[in-house]
Amino acid sequence: DAGVIQSPRHEVTEMGQEVTLRCKPISGHNSLFWYRQTMMRGLELLIYFNNNVPIDDSGMPEDRFSAKMPNASFSTLKIQPSEPRDSAVYFCASKAAGGQETQYFGPGTRLLVL
Amino acid sequence: AQSVTQPDIHITVSEGASLELRCNYSYGATPYLFWYVQSPGQGLQLLLKYFSGDTLVQGIKGFEAEFKRSQSSFNLRKPSVHWSDAAEYFCAVGAVKAAGNKLTFGGGTRVLVKP
Repeated sequence: DAGVIQSPRHEVTEMGQEVTLRCKPISGHNSLFWYRQTMMRGLELLIYFNNNVPIDDSGMPEDRFSAKMPNASFSTLKIQPSEPRDSAVYFCASKAAGGQETQYFGPGTRLLVL
Repeated sequence: AQSVTQPDIHITVSEGASLELRCNYSYGATPYLFWYVQSPGQGLQLLLKYFSGDTLVQGIKGFEAEFKRSQSSFNLRKPSVHWSDAAEYFCAVGAVKAAGNKLTFGGGTRVLVKP
């Protein structure tokens, strides 16, 4: 299996621009998670989906962030407008059904907002 | 609310020496506990996990962890460290709900391995 796929791997943009991060979960997994990792705040959960439905978005920083999962094989995390404080590594993870299943992480997208 | 504390931000260990990384958690029920490793520029890879049963859990790469309920701890150990073990290690606690499995991560411990 290819694992969780994220694109792009690196993104550099200017403040105010729209940024879209993409994730393809492992085939057959029914839960998908978006995390953000920064030096100051560590690894924090932004939102997670189960069967394409958002279950908990309490970690989404503010209205500038939005996430969608239109089907079982694709999810996006969008930041509009982006700000320098959004600079971080964004990870996507997926998990098969069942409470004892493991979350598998993608390689991450390193975002720099200038 | 669940939380995880990794008291050591950095640990330096000599190659061949033993390693122990501390993890303390706070959770209202029986926790699901995990250790992940992150190499530079990479995603997180699962080392081991505890759900129930034997409190000593074996993982990949020669790592093990012991769940101690009385101490709310889940410390990670390796008897003999290799240079390739230099990485950042994250402990996480899971909340199992009907529709998912939400993880809360500790701040991580960065391990440096001296030759």
